[in-house]
Amino acid sequence: DIQMTQSPSSLSASVGDRVTITCRASQSISNYLNWYQQKPGKAPKLLVYGASGLQSGVPSRFSGSASGTDFTLIISSLQPEDFATYYCQQGNSFPLAFGGGTKVEIK
Amino acid sequence: EVHLVETGGGLVQPGGSLRLSCAASGFNFNTYWMTWVRQAPGKGLEWVANIKHDGSQKYYVDSVKGRFTISRDNAKNSLYLQMNSLRAEDTAVYYCARYPTDFGDFDCWGQGTLVTVSS
Repeated sequence: DIQMTQSPSSLSASVGDRVTITCRASQSISNYLNWYQQKPGKAPKLLVYGASGLQSGVPSRFSGSASGTDFTLIISSLQPEDFATYYCQQGNSFPLAFGGGTKVEIK
Repeated sequence: EVHLVETGGGLVQPGGSLRLSCAASGFNFNTYWMTWVRQAPGKGLEWVANIKHDGSQKYYVDSVKGRFTISRDNAKNSLYLQMNSLRAEDTAVYYCARYPTDFGDFDCWGQGTLVTVSS
């Protein structure tokens, strides 16, 4: 089974900061890597699909990239509404799997 | 607009059973794979099960194999999760989600239904 290791598990940042979240797959998953944002009490929301594709309606300050089995989600300029928990997810093969999550908190 | 609404959650004793439903609207339900994902209180997301658009393929996380069954009724635009032999560790919010398969992502989610397994 493919394991997804996400880091950091939490971070504190200020509005306007550039934020980077990483996710590593235990084996090759090509570009079948997706990113989600979840706010407390709400369902997750798809942000990025296929490692770098921006889901419709998602602000352009969000971007995703890949290098081998390492994947990155970048928020170029953190906004107040971006404080949330972010999850990566591999869609390459069953069993599908999520990373442990990264909680982005206000500094 | 895509809409997914889960129902059927509640309090159940260990060893008991529960059937979750997910009503879908706003898209051609019978052309999409569908998914159940759960989230234990204060924990991360866990994929539970997937079902192909015609019901011919089903996949489960190991921890629910033999206890949970995913199914669908395309005539009713509905997805189901039959949960038997429930354990305390099955306590979670259960979400249904649409699974387009292009990149293995979940592009639309319901609001979730809470299942609590406790005596």
